[in-house]
Amino acid sequence: AQSVSQHNHHVILSEAASLELGCNYSYGGTVNLFWYVQYPGQHLQLLLKYFSGDPLVKGIKGFEAEFIKSKFSFNLRKPSVQWSDTAEYFCAVKGNNRLAFGKGNQVVVIP
Amino acid sequence: DAGVIQSPRHEVTEMGQEVTLRCKPISGHNSLFWYRQTMMRGLELLIYFNNNVPIDDSGMPEDRFSAKMPNASFSTLKIQPSEPRDSAVYFCASRDQLAGLTDTQYFGPGTRLTVL
Repeated sequence: AQSVSQHNHHVILSEAASLELGCNYSYGGTVNLFWYVQYPGQHLQLLLKYFSGDPLVKGIKGFEAEFIKSKFSFNLRKPSVQWSDTAEYFCAVKGNNRLAFGKGNQVVVIP
Repeated sequence: DAGVIQSPRHEVTEMGQEVTLRCKPISGHNSLFWYRQTMMRGLELLIYFNNNVPIDDSGMPEDRFSAKMPNASFSTLKIQPSEPRDSAVYFCASRDQLAGLTDTQYFGPGTRLTVL
């Protein structure tokens, strides 16, 4: 079964700072990769996804993620965060018909 | 589209009581998933259905948990009897299994369960 690792569970940064959240997975087969976001008090929403093609994926709200197959990674980035990006971010990997989530990164953006 | 609908949004109950969580998937979606989210364990898949049939229930923690999907537009997750350690947010998600590359799960707002 696949597993997903997210590091730096808590991230605090100022507005306009750049954000990068790491995601590493373990699974030997073909994977589909996702980042979900959960704003305070809300449900999970899809931020972006990768299935095939260009490994650099653009998502909503200025987020992007890069799939590096050799490193089993799918890191999320945003060059300049806003206060409204305060949320919990989950990386998810689908392999073998199951979607496995990482434990999430709690991101707090200080105005 | 109303999205995935879950009820209730909040449930507070006493230990030993039966709890029933409800989910209405997005119309036309044929896969449905139940997840549990806790601080300690993150998001865990409990069970999922394809075309109303349970496919993988290996994530169901114990016999106190049961899930049903009597038709394509409704599913329940039942805990009987409930225990304080069941306190968590329970999410339902649905997916159009036949959508090929769009293969994306859409989540409901969750039910926050507190067992006293």
